[in-house]
Amino acid sequence: EPEVTQTPSHQVTQMGQEVILRCVPISNHLYFYWYRQILGQKVEFLVSFYNNEISEKSEIFDDQFSVERPDGSNFTLKIRSTKLEDSAMYFCASSEGSGPQETQYFGPGTRLLVL
Amino acid sequence: AQTVTQSQPEMSVQEAETVTLSCTYDTSESDYYLFWYKQPPSRQMILVIRQEAYKQQNATENRFSVNFQKAAKSFSLKISDSQLGDAAMYFCAYRRGYGNKLVFGAGTILRVKS
Repeated sequence: EPEVTQTPSHQVTQMGQEVILRCVPISNHLYFYWYRQILGQKVEFLVSFYNNEISEKSEIFDDQFSVERPDGSNFTLKIRSTKLEDSAMYFCASSEGSGPQETQYFGPGTRLLVL
Repeated sequence: AQTVTQSQPEMSVQEAETVTLSCTYDTSESDYYLFWYKQPPSRQMILVIRQEAYKQQNATENRFSVNFQKAAKSFSLKISDSQLGDAAMYFCAYRRGYGNKLVFGAGTILRVKS
C-alpha cells in the first residue's frame, strides 16, 4: 500500500541553524500538508500546499518557515533559523484532492530537537 | 475558531471488551467532517473512521463505530472487542467542509490489558 515517507526520522540541530525536513507524498496525491506536535501537546496545522503554492497557513507558519516542492516527488519544510521552541515532531501528510471526501494520509514524522 | 476537546487523557480496557472515547467540538459551521486518527507507538497516524456532518447515520468500520450527536457537538468513538493492537493514542479531528486544515484534540491514550 502506498505511504507517505519522511526523512530523517530524527534530527538534532543547534539553535539558529537551518533545517530541511523532507517528505515524499503518495505519488498521485496533489495536496500536501505539514503539521507539528510539540511533546505533550496537540497536533497543530502548519501549512497546506497545492499547485506549487501555499493554499492555507496557520499563525505558527511565520517567515522562518517555508515549503517547497523542488521536484516531482519531494515536499520539503525549511526552518530558516531554528529556535528552542521549534523542537517538535513534524508530520507531513498528503491527499489526492481537496474535496470533503478526501483523506489525509500521514507520514511517520520527523522528530526535531533544537539545542 | 474551531476547537476540539478530548476530556480523557488516558483510558484502559480489558482485551475483548468495549471502550468509548469521548470528543466534543465547537464550531459555527454547518458543513464539516469529523475524524478519529490512531497513533501507535510507531507514531504514524492512521485514519480510523470519518463522519460527514450532514449524515445522520453513525459511521462504522468493523469494530469501530461512532456516536455522532450533532446538536450536542459530540463525536465519541466506540471500540468493540478490543485487541492488544488497539493500544495507541487516539486523536479526534475536525475539518470544515471547504478547507483542508485538520484541527486536532489533545488525544486520549488507550491502554489494552490482556
